[in-house]
Amino acid sequence: SQTIHQWPATLVQPVGSPLSLECTVEGTSNPNLYWYRQAAGRGLQLLFYSVGIGQISSEVPQNLSASRPQDRQFILSSKKLLLSDSGFYLCAWSLDGTGGRGYTFGSGTRLTVV
Amino acid sequence: SQQGEEDPQALSIQEGENATMNCSYKTSINNLQWYRQNSGRGLVHLILIRSNEREKHSGRLRVTLDTSKKSSSLLITASRAADTASYFCATDGSGAGSYQLTFGKGTKLSVIP
Repeated sequence: SQTIHQWPATLVQPVGSPLSLECTVEGTSNPNLYWYRQAAGRGLQLLFYSVGIGQISSEVPQNLSASRPQDRQFILSSKKLLLSDSGFYLCAWSLDGTGGRGYTFGSGTRLTVV
Repeated sequence: SQQGEEDPQALSIQEGENATMNCSYKTSINNLQWYRQNSGRGLVHLILIRSNEREKHSGRLRVTLDTSKKSSSLLITASRAADTASYFCATDGSGAGSYQLTFGKGTKLSVIP
């Protein structure tokens, strides 16, 4: 069966520090991978998606970047965090490009920038 | 930008009652999906309805889709305290290369035992 792992679960980082969040998928090959951010009480905002190794598409200009060094690994990074980067970050995967079979989400990372 | 918008923002009902949540969207879609999120957790896919379908059932869930009105509803029958969560609708664009789902802000459902 397919599983998705996302870590860490919570993170408190000072402004200006770097960030690295990791997401890995098991039990499937060549998944589409996504990073979403959820602000308190709001919906999900798509940050990045990837349809293959090294292929990253960005949806919004921001202080963050993403990389996909391996087929089932998706990393969200920042060189210098801002207060506005605080939020709940969710990684997801799908096999169908249009989400036709639904997305499977990780358990999320709560990032607080102080 | 948000595609789906859920209504109401919050809903509180007694256990055993039915809960109805609505979603409106703006552009053409291939399918519409509903997800559930327990507090502080990731989202769980509940049900998907395609643009050529009008109604779909899964257990205690019933989803309807009206593409002429660009709206959908999620009905949870005989609600339980464990149904307490936020519910999101999500749509995908019907254009080529539409890889991403766009989520609404969600309806927060509280089921009182």
